[in-house]
Amino acid sequence: KNQVEQSPQSLIILEGKNCTLQCNYTVSPFSNLRWYKQDTGRGPVSLTIMTFSENTKSNGRYTATLDADTKQSSLHITASQLSDSASYICVVSAYTNAGKSTFGDGTTLTVKP
Amino acid sequence: EAGVAQSPRYKIIEKRQSVAFWCNPISGHATLYWYQQILGQGPKLLIQFQNNGVVDDSQLPKDRFSAERLKGVDSTLKIQPAKLEDSAVYLCASRLTAGGGIPGYEQFFGPGTRLTVL
Repeated sequence: KNQVEQSPQSLIILEGKNCTLQCNYTVSPFSNLRWYKQDTGRGPVSLTIMTFSENTKSNGRYTATLDADTKQSSLHITASQLSDSASYICVVSAYTNAGKSTFGDGTTLTVKP
Repeated sequence: EAGVAQSPRYKIIEKRQSVAFWCNPISGHATLYWYQQILGQGPKLLIQFQNNGVVDDSQLPKDRFSAERLKGVDSTLKIQPAKLEDSAVYLCASRLTAGGGIPGYEQFFGPGTRLTVL
């Protein structure tokens, strides 16, 4: 059964600090992994996408890593801002005709001043 | 370009009542998804359309939920009758195509409809 597990479930940090969110998956055959940011009351928005051959992808202060051997990914946020407060969802897609995606339950990040 | 539109944004109903949600995907997007997102959880796929055909509805509670995409463009999701456990955010997403292994074709999400069943 395809599964995506994220940790921690929630995280509180001070503005300006860095943090790292984790994602472990058991999706096969693996196609790609995306990190989404979901602000309260909004739909998820894609931050990064990585395929099997990529192990690092950056988008501004967000850097995602992928270890396809251990089936783990991380999202590192540098110099956090209040606007980073959101839920971060890891989504792993399988290489099938329908490109079926499996969603994690997300990590809720709160950045405090 | 315009994003995925959903209406209404909020809906409060009593159990056993009916409710319908509407979604208009990004122009030209062949694939449309409906998700249910319960508070504190990730989105759960209810149904996936490719144009006006159903690709995956394995997790749709068909005794009470129905969805259609008659002209391959906008879509409606209906719940009849609603239960307390249906309280959730219903997200619509669209994608250019459903092809597997094409990572560039990301899903774009609408703002969602927050349903409260009393």
